[in-house]
Amino acid sequence: SQQGEEDPQALSIQEGENATMNCSYKTSINNLQWYRQNSGRGLVHLILIRSNEREKHSGRLRVTLDTSKKSSSLLITASRAADTASYFCATDGGWFKTIFGAGTRLFVKA
Amino acid sequence: EAGVAQSPRYKIIEKRQSVAFWCNPISGHATLYWYQQILGQGPKLLIQFQNNGVVDDSQLPKDRFSAERLKGVDSTLKIQPAKLEDSAVYLCASSGSKRWRGYEQYFGPGTRLTVT
Repeated sequence: SQQGEEDPQALSIQEGENATMNCSYKTSINNLQWYRQNSGRGLVHLILIRSNEREKHSGRLRVTLDTSKKSSSLLITASRAADTASYFCATDGGWFKTIFGAGTRLFVKA
Repeated sequence: EAGVAQSPRYKIIEKRQSVAFWCNPISGHATLYWYQQILGQGPKLLIQFQNNGVVDDSQLPKDRFSAERLKGVDSTLKIQPAKLEDSAVYLCASSGSKRWRGYEQYFGPGTRLTVT
C-alpha cells in the first residue's frame, strides 16, 4: 500500500532556525497531507496539497510537492520551541482514506 | 465546535482480558476512523466507517478486534482477548464529506492502552 516515508527520522535545531522535513512515497496520489503531533494538542492537520499543486503556504509553513520524484517537503520557518513535535506526511489511499508515515521528530531548542 | 471525544483516556488490563473504547465524532461528520499508534510509529488505520457502513477494515485483526458505529454517530472499538502487543494509543478521528475537506481528519485525544 502507499505510504509516505519521512526523512530525517529526527531533527534538532535552535529556535529561529528553519526546519525542513522530507517525505517520499511509492505510488501515484491525489493529495498529500502533513500532520503534527505533540503531547499538548494531539494529532492536528496542518496542510493538504493536491497532486496538481506544486507549492502551498500556511503561515510559517511551506509545503512543496514533486509528483515526478514522488516526494514532498515541509519547511517551517523561524521555528519556535512550541514547534517541537512529530510531523507526519500522509498519502491518500482512496475514498478519504489516509496512510501515515512513521514521522519526523523535531526538537526546537530555546 | 466540539472536538472528537474519546474515553477512557487510559486503560491498564491484563492479557486475555477484554477492553472497549468509545468515540464520539464531530457532529455531522460522516467518516469515522480508528487508528492504532504504537510508540515511535505513525498511526495505522484499523477501520474506517462511512456513516454506519464499513469502508475499510483490511488491517483490523478480526479474530480479536471488533468495531461498530451504530446510527452513524458514536463508535466503539473492542479487543477480546487482549495481547501484550496491543499496547498502544488508540486514536479516533472523523472527517466531513466535502471532496477535499473530506480528507482533513480531526483526531481525538486517544486512549492509551497498556496490556500487562
